[in-house]
Amino acid sequence: DGGITQSPKYLFRKEGQNVTLSCEQNLNHDAMYWYRQDPGQGLRLIYYSQIVNDFQKGDIAEGYSVSREKKESFPLTVTSAQKNPTAFYLCASRPGPGGQPQHFGDGTRLSIL
Amino acid sequence: RKEVEQDPGPFNVPEGATVAFNCTYSNSASQSFFWYRQDCRKEPKLLMSVYSSGNEDGRFTAQLNRASQYISLLIRDSKLSDSATYLCVVNIYGSSNTGKLIFGQGTTLQVKP
Repeated sequence: DGGITQSPKYLFRKEGQNVTLSCEQNLNHDAMYWYRQDPGQGLRLIYYSQIVNDFQKGDIAEGYSVSREKKESFPLTVTSAQKNPTAFYLCASRPGPGGQPQHFGDGTRLSIL
Repeated sequence: RKEVEQDPGPFNVPEGATVAFNCTYSNSASQSFFWYRQDCRKEPKLLMSVYSSGNEDGRFTAQLNRASQYISLLIRDSKLSDSATYLCVVNIYGSSNTGKLIFGQGTTLQVKP
């Protein structure tokens, strides 16, 4: 089945620790996105990538980093600089940067220990 | 002012009712529009795209009013399974024909027996 796979489903972070969230897609999509969703809030864009080896900051990039070494993969690292990382993280992709809708993975819930 | 605004609700309706949601957007460069559905603690899923001429998919009808910069979603004959949060999404074209999706906060619908 084609789709977007995020792992792990649940993740716990200790103070001062970096953690990496995985996002893999087999849809052959060029564009990939990371969002954060807090309870009762809308989605906020963290980073996005429209092509391999290139990515741009979204609206709330501070404390996060990404890489796009392969078309299928767009991992997100939540660094220790992100002081309030507890949230629901969603990865999305779409064929290109134009007007198509995005399709989402089933998300990773990150909590602080 | 938020770029995409929705009434968060909740809208509490009985089964079989007709319910309508509106969404306004502020950027006239918005070029494509979508409604997503998000169940509690799940990822958003595309419900339908919104076309200029309006479009229907079963019990769901979406309409776009470019002059007034709003889109709407009408749900007829509401089912218990329609209970969810409905996200209004607009795609804004920037330079180099790249697009950015802006998500509304969502409108929560509760359908009661």
